[in-house]
Amino acid sequence: DGGITQSPKYLFRKEGQNVTLSCEQNLNHDAMYWYRQDPGQGLRLIYYSQIVNDFQKGDIAEGYSVSREKKESFPLTVTSAQKNPTAFYLCASSSSGVRDTQYFGPGTRLTVL
Amino acid sequence: AQSVTQLDSQVPVFEEAPVELRCNYSSSVSVYLFWYVQYPNQGLQLLLKYLSGSTLVKGINGFEAEFNKSQTSFHLRKPSVHISDTAEYFCAVTLTGTASKLTFGTGTRLQVTL
Repeated sequence: DGGITQSPKYLFRKEGQNVTLSCEQNLNHDAMYWYRQDPGQGLRLIYYSQIVNDFQKGDIAEGYSVSREKKESFPLTVTSAQKNPTAFYLCASSSSGVRDTQYFGPGTRLTVL
Repeated sequence: AQSVTQLDSQVPVFEEAPVELRCNYSSSVSVYLFWYVQYPNQGLQLLLKYLSGSTLVKGINGFEAEFNKSQTSFHLRKPSVHISDTAEYFCAVTLTGTASKLTFGTGTRLQVTL
């Protein structure tokens, strides 16, 4: 089955620790995205990548970092510089263009204690 | 930059009743419009999208939406809802000439009861 995998579903970390969220897709999509979802705020774009070895900051990139070394993988690191990291994180992918549907993974709920 | 407004944060409705979820966008240039649905603790799934052509767009699960350029709206409708339609619904917009960045609204929680 083609799709997007995010792991783990729930993640707990202590304040001050970096944490990396996994996102893998087997849809052969060029573009991948990371969103953050908070109650009542919809989805906000953190980073996106339209091609391997290239990525751009979204609207709320501060305190986050990404890499795109492989087409199928787009891991997100939440660093200790992110002031309020507790949130639901969603990864998505699309073929390439702006007309293309974005397909979403099941999400990772990160709680920083 | 584009923006999206979903006027209702919550919409309660009885099963088999019709429903309309409102979405307005602001942009001075051409846009593509999307509606996504999110079930609890899950990712988003595309319901429908408007790219061009007919302003009435039909999607999955019996939903449809109408693009109204003069009112900059893209309201989502269903003539008869089911309990299983209970979910969060997000409207999203992207400019036609840019990289594929979606701007999402804040969502509308549809609560269907018996």
